[in-house]
Amino acid sequence: AQSVTQPDIHITVSEGASLELRCNYSYGATPYLFWYVQSPGQGLQLLLKYFSGDTLVQGIKGFEAEFKRSQSSFNLRKPSVHWSDAAEYFCAVGGGYGGATNKLIFGTGTLLAVQP
Amino acid sequence: SQTIHQWPATLVQPVGSPLSLECTVEGTSNPNLYWYRQAAGRGLQLLFYSVGIGQISSEVPQNLSASRPQDRQFILSSKKLLLSDSGFYLCAWSPRKDLRASNGYTFGSGTRLTVV
Repeated sequence: AQSVTQPDIHITVSEGASLELRCNYSYGATPYLFWYVQSPGQGLQLLLKYFSGDTLVQGIKGFEAEFKRSQSSFNLRKPSVHWSDAAEYFCAVGGGYGGATNKLIFGTGTLLAVQP
Repeated sequence: SQTIHQWPATLVQPVGSPLSLECTVEGTSNPNLYWYRQAAGRGLQLLFYSVGIGQISSEVPQNLSASRPQDRQFILSSKKLLLSDSGFYLCAWSPRKDLRASNGYTFGSGTRLTVV
């Protein structure tokens, strides 16, 4: 079955510290992977995506993620967290074959709090 | 550029009343359209998706229905709301073809529905 697991429901880091949010997926074909961020009461904004090629992808706001096929993981990282990064983060996987199979499966999210 | 509009932003409705949430997309043709519901700690639950006018697929049995009367219009409805219908509802679109043609999904800003 296709699924996405974000094992950390809530994470608190200090401003300036590094961050890693975990994402593991189960998908029967080559996955397309995404990370989205959601501020309270808002829609989701795309941070970065992976389709193929270089397994380390760069996104907006200084985020990066690394695709590790052997571990079925797509962890999100940031070297130095800013207070404005406090939000909820969602990992998603899809097949991208077009039409009805463009459905994305989302994880349950990780809520990030940033301490001053 | 493509944009997605979702309204209203906030809605308080009594139990047993009808519901109509609307989503429209601009700047693209033949999009796939999606309705998600978000509950705390449960991530994003796909409710309905549509690959064309009048074509609706339901992902979970529920008190809600969806319609797509025009190519870029997607409506979420209920004849009689239940308390359990409360939540944050998000509309999204993706290209009909491969997701690599875009940034995956583009989300609306959401509707906070409270059933009282």
